[in-house]
Amino acid sequence: DSGVTQTPKHLITATGQRVTLRCSPRSGDLSVYWYQQSLDQGLQFLIQYYNGEERAKGNILERFSAQQFPDLHSELNLSSLELGDSALYFCASSVAGPPNTGELFFGEGSRLTVL
Amino acid sequence: DAKTTQPNSMESNEEEPVHLPCNHSTISGTDYIHWYRQLPSQGPEYVIHGLTSNVNNRMASLAIAEDRKSSTLILHRATLRDAAVYYCILISGNTPLVFGKGTRLSVIA
Repeated sequence: DSGVTQTPKHLITATGQRVTLRCSPRSGDLSVYWYQQSLDQGLQFLIQYYNGEERAKGNILERFSAQQFPDLHSELNLSSLELGDSALYFCASSVAGPPNTGELFFGEGSRLTVL
Repeated sequence: DAKTTQPNSMESNEEEPVHLPCNHSTISGTDYIHWYRQLPSQGPEYVIHGLTSNVNNRMASLAIAEDRKSSTLILHRATLRDAAVYYCILISGNTPLVFGKGTRLSVIA
């Protein structure tokens, strides 16, 4: 158990819909990261937040957005869903923000299926 | 971003040592070498990291070449539970963790 909690574990929805994935970091961790893992793309970095502020952005689509709240939990919002958005979405947390020299702790992921 | 090169797959017998190589010929002086692994149906898991010196922890050892252009993750006695995809990643400054394709390790009983 990494201490990072992601909900829901599984989600099935239809194209065009909007979903929200939630992540609770380990107690005391200030940084939250979101990753997408699909069969053809591997693990892709989406976005990082540190203490409520966006710190780094990766291959995140404009249809996707995220935020980190004052209690440090984070949400990833996916809208206008397409079939290709079906993937595992991982959240990770770490104690420190940049520079990233520390250990990241990953949750078990949220599996999104878009039909 | 500095890149790493790993074999796509490796195979090991149970209870034998495993040496997982990683080439990073364009590594910069401030790049840390991190290893993560991802077991089936789980999120990635931190294994070990180092900068210049060899490192040991309860999971593995990391041997870093003197010129830092390559490194080797050593699992001293592979078990079936070590079957996973192993990722070698360079991290520096503000760069986030960027995963490549990694090496898929199979462990044979």
